[in-house]
Amino acid sequence: SQTIHQWPATLVQPVGSPLSLECTVEGTSNPNLYWYRQAAGRGLQLLFYSVGIGQISSEVPQNLSASRPQDRQFILSSKKLLLSDSGFYLCAWRRGSGSGYNSPLHFGNGTRLTVT
Amino acid sequence: AQKVTQAQTEISVVEKEDVTLDCVYETRDTTYYLFWYKQPPSGELVFLIRRNSFDEQNEISGRYSWNFQKSTSSFNFTITASQVVDSAVYFCALSEPRGSGNTPLVFGKGTRLSVIA
Repeated sequence: SQTIHQWPATLVQPVGSPLSLECTVEGTSNPNLYWYRQAAGRGLQLLFYSVGIGQISSEVPQNLSASRPQDRQFILSSKKLLLSDSGFYLCAWRRGSGSGYNSPLHFGNGTRLTVT
Repeated sequence: AQKVTQAQTEISVVEKEDVTLDCVYETRDTTYYLFWYKQPPSGELVFLIRRNSFDEQNEISGRYSWNFQKSTSSFNFTITASQVVDSAVYFCALSEPRGSGNTPLVFGKGTRLSVIA
């Protein structure tokens, strides 16, 4: 069965510090990978998605970036955090195929980031 | 452009009451998929159901049921005999094909359901 791991679970970082959140998926090959952010405990905002190694699509311009160095690894980064980067970050995977739009997203447990 | 609207921000019910969560969507495609997710207080999103645009049959799973109506672009979710464990934020989402065949889900803003004992 497939599993998704996301860490750390919580993180408190000062403004201006770097960020690295990691997500890995097991039990599947060539998944589509996603980073979402949920601010103030409400709506989900898509940040990045990837359909393959080195392929990153950005949905929202900001000081965050994403990378996919391996097939089942997805990393969210920032060189300098802002207060507005605080939120709940969720990694998700989905079956990667030509008809992937019909399959559900499967989410990790999330990382709660507080920028102070 | 695709859009999902969950007009109910918060709902409170007393245990054992029935409750319906509304979801209205917008899409130009004739082929699309709709989803419901549950986010309990612990934070993770749990997939509940998927429905494709060609299947308007209502679905029932235990105390959960879903009513899909293309004529009104709605995909409503009903919990029968609600329980305290149903307290969570519920999200409706839409997915339609792009040229690559893969597309992210577009989520509504969610409805926070509180079930009071």
